[in-house]
Amino acid sequence: SQTIHQWPATLVQPVGSPLSLECTVEGTSNPNLYWYRQAAGRGLQLLFYSVGIGQISSEVPQNLSASRPQDRQFILSSKKLLLSDSGFYLCAWAGAGNTIYFGEGSWLTVV
Amino acid sequence: GQNIDQPTEMTATEGAIVQINCTYQTSGFNGLFWYQQHAGEAPTFLSYNVLDGLEEKGRFSSFLSRSKGYSYLLLKELQMKDSASYLCAVRDSSGGSYIPTFGRGTSLIVHP
Repeated sequence: SQTIHQWPATLVQPVGSPLSLECTVEGTSNPNLYWYRQAAGRGLQLLFYSVGIGQISSEVPQNLSASRPQDRQFILSSKKLLLSDSGFYLCAWAGAGNTIYFGEGSWLTVV
Repeated sequence: GQNIDQPTEMTATEGAIVQINCTYQTSGFNGLFWYQQHAGEAPTFLSYNVLDGLEEKGRFSSFLSRSKGYSYLLLKELQMKDSASYLCAVRDSSGGSYIPTFGRGTSLIVHP
């Protein structure tokens, strides 16, 4: 069966520091992969999606970036975090019927 | 793009039935999803509708009317553990991306 994992689960980072969130999917090949953010009291916002290695589409302009160095690995990065980057970050993949399945999520607090 | 509207909050009593509505506007409808999200956790998939009608899965059912741009999630025999946020998501085929857009969610509070 397919599984998705992301880490770290929680992190507290100072303003201006870098960020790296990692996500891996097991049990499938060439999945569509996504990064979402959920700010407090707000809905899920799509940040990036990828349909293959090295293929990244950005949905919103921001100081975040994404990379897909391997088929089942998706990384979310920032060179310098802002206070507004705080939130709940979710990696997801598209399964049968293009249903989105989410990883466990990563809580980021920028201080 | 899509406009998705669902109530912000609902309350219900344990053992009762609750219906959570979702209305949407989209140029190329290609499916509607419902997710459950407990506080501090990731959303989990509940149901998928692409054709009109009712899909039943245990205590949960989801209904879709494409002509009305309307769906509801029906929860029967409510349990305390059903207290969570319920997210409606609509997939649009225009632009070729087929990526669901999520509503802000309905926070359901189940009380004894």
